[in-house]
Amino acid sequence: AQSVSQHNHHVILSEAASLELGCNYSYGGTVNLFWYVQYPGQHLQLLLKYFSGDPLVKGIKGFEAEFIKSKFSFNLRKPSVQWSDTAEYFCAVTWGQGNKLVFGAGTILRVKS
Amino acid sequence: DGGITQSPKYLFRKEGQNVTLSCEQNLNHDAMYWYRQDPGQGLRLIYYSQIVNDFQKGDIAEGYSVSREKKESFPLTVTSAQKNPTAFYLCASSRARMGLSNQPQHFGDGTRLSIL
Repeated sequence: AQSVSQHNHHVILSEAASLELGCNYSYGGTVNLFWYVQYPGQHLQLLLKYFSGDPLVKGIKGFEAEFIKSKFSFNLRKPSVQWSDTAEYFCAVTWGQGNKLVFGAGTILRVKS
Repeated sequence: DGGITQSPKYLFRKEGQNVTLSCEQNLNHDAMYWYRQDPGQGLRLIYYSQIVNDFQKGDIAEGYSVSREKKESFPLTVTSAQKNPTAFYLCASSRARMGLSNQPQHFGDGTRLSIL
């Protein structure tokens, strides 16, 4: 079955620390990859997406993610986090022609000021 | 501004009752989705619809029903058969039909359902 794994459920960082959130998906073929973010009290919103081309994609608010096909991974990174990055982050994948989006369990990030 | 409206924000249900959650979008999107969000489990797909008058079961459809009579509306009914209905329910839409799976989904603010 198709699945998405996020390695850490809770991450606590101090401001200015670097962030990397892991995401792996179950098997290959053509994939479309997404990171969504849910800030406290707000709806889910798209952070960035990868469909094809350059495997390093840049999103909003200084986030980036790298698609490594051989590792079935799409890790999210930010060089220096801010208190306002406190949120829950979800990795999500669609496979092939299907538009069914499969989500990971989410990672709750808390940034201490 | 275009978007997705879910109502109500909070909903309480007595055991044995059916309850319907509303989802309306004015984005002119073809596809609409219902997810259930539980702590530590991410979002799980309940039902989705790619076009009016058509919908498919997701991963956890048991105890739920939907209809898609209008493009902009996709109500979800939580029936008394759903054994553990207390959760946060999210509605989403996208331009995607089959073959356009790279279209991102847009989400509503959610409805929190609790059992009294």
